[in-house]
Parts: sequence; structure tokens; C-alpha cells
Amino acid sequence: KAGVTQTPRYLIKTRGQQVTLSCSPISGHRSVSWYQQTPGQGLQFLFEYFSETQRNKGNFPGRFSGRQFSNSRSEMNVSTLELGDSALYLCASSSRGELNNEQFFGPGTRLTVL
Amino acid sequence: AQSVTQPDIHITVSEGASLELRCNYSYGATPYLFWYVQSPGQGLQLLLKYFSGDTLVQGIKGFEAEFKRSQSSFNLRKPSVHWSDAAEYFCAVGADNYGQNFVFGPGTRLSVLP
Repeated sequence: KAGVTQTPRYLIKTRGQQVTLSCSPISGHRSVSWYQQTPGQGLQFLFEYFSETQRNKGNFPGRFSGRQFSNSRSEMNVSTLELGDSALYLCASSSRGELNNEQFFGPGTRLTVL
Repeated sequence: AQSVTQPDIHITVSEGASLELRCNYSYGATPYLFWYVQSPGQGLQLLLKYFSGDTLVQGIKGFEAEFKRSQSSFNLRKPSVHWSDAAEYFCAVGADNYGQNFVFGPGTRLSVLP
């Protein structure tokens, strides 16, 4: 079974631009979560999607948004990029999105904002 | 609000020595606790998890963790460290009994001396 894939792996943008990151979960998984990882703030939960609906949301500004498609693939979008958005963005999938389901993480997308 | 602390930012041990990584959590209800490992350039991999029952849980790669409710701790242990264990270790608590909204600790970086 293929693991969680994230594209692109690396991305360089400038302030004010917007960016879209993609995550393909493990086949059959319906829950996709997104996390931001930075040296200063560590790993922070962005949001979770389950069956195309946002089920949980972390404490991030509205510039961060996401969606999930019928095939469970998910995208996250960041508009009006700021320098502080430079981070590793991790996607994780699980079968039913319950806490006793293991989350499988992708390798992440490294976003650099100049 | 839920929180997780990992008091040790960086630990160095010799190969073959024992290891204990500390984790303390703050959560009002019964916690769902996890340990993840992240190797450089990789996503996170689940080592073990605790939901209920036996307070000593076994994980992959020879790791184990003990849940101590009275101390709000969930320390990770390994009797004999291998050079390949060098990585960053994250403790996490499930912040809800529904969904995948995890709160992660800041991480402990483990270095292994030959």
C-alpha cells in the first residue's frame, strides 16, 4: 500500500503570494489532517477533514484554508503569504479519523517564504 | 487547554546505553497519549500509543512507555539504544475524543554516540 504523498516537496514563494499544497492519503483513508511544523512553535494542528467536511480546526488565521475531495485527497491553501509561514507542512491520514486509528504522516512540504 | 511538555530539548547517549525521554501532559479527561519519531527529512512515525488498560505499553523498535496518572507523565524508554535511534521524538495528547486534533510537545532531539 502506498503511503501518504505530498506535493510539492519543496516550494519557494515571496511575501504576498498564495500557495496550494496537496496531500494524497493512503487508499481507503477518509480522514486527512494538516500540521505546521516550525522550529519556534513546533508542531501545530491546522485542520482535519473527514468525508469532505472540515471537522476540526486549529488556531490559525483565515488565510489558511483547506478542502477535501471525494477521493479523500486534500489541499491546503495559504493566501497572502507572510515570512512566518515558512515551515514544514505535514499531512496525515487515518482510516476513520478516530483517536484509536493510527495517523500516517507524509514526508511534508517545505515552504520557504522570501 | 491541553498541553504537553518535554523537559529535555536534547539528549545524548552512548550506543548500547538505556534511554528515557520524559513527557508530561495536562488534560482534564482521560488522555489519549502517543509517542512519535521523526528522522531528518521524514514525516512522523508512530512508536506507541496509550488509550486505557495496562499502563505499560510496548511499541515498535523496542520502545516502551509507562503511563502514570498521578504524575501526569508518559515517559518513553528503551533498554539499549542503537545508532539508528538518533532522531527527534515527540509526545502528543489527543485533544478530543473525536477526530485527530493532536497537541504535540516541543520534541526531544536524541543524539547517539558510537
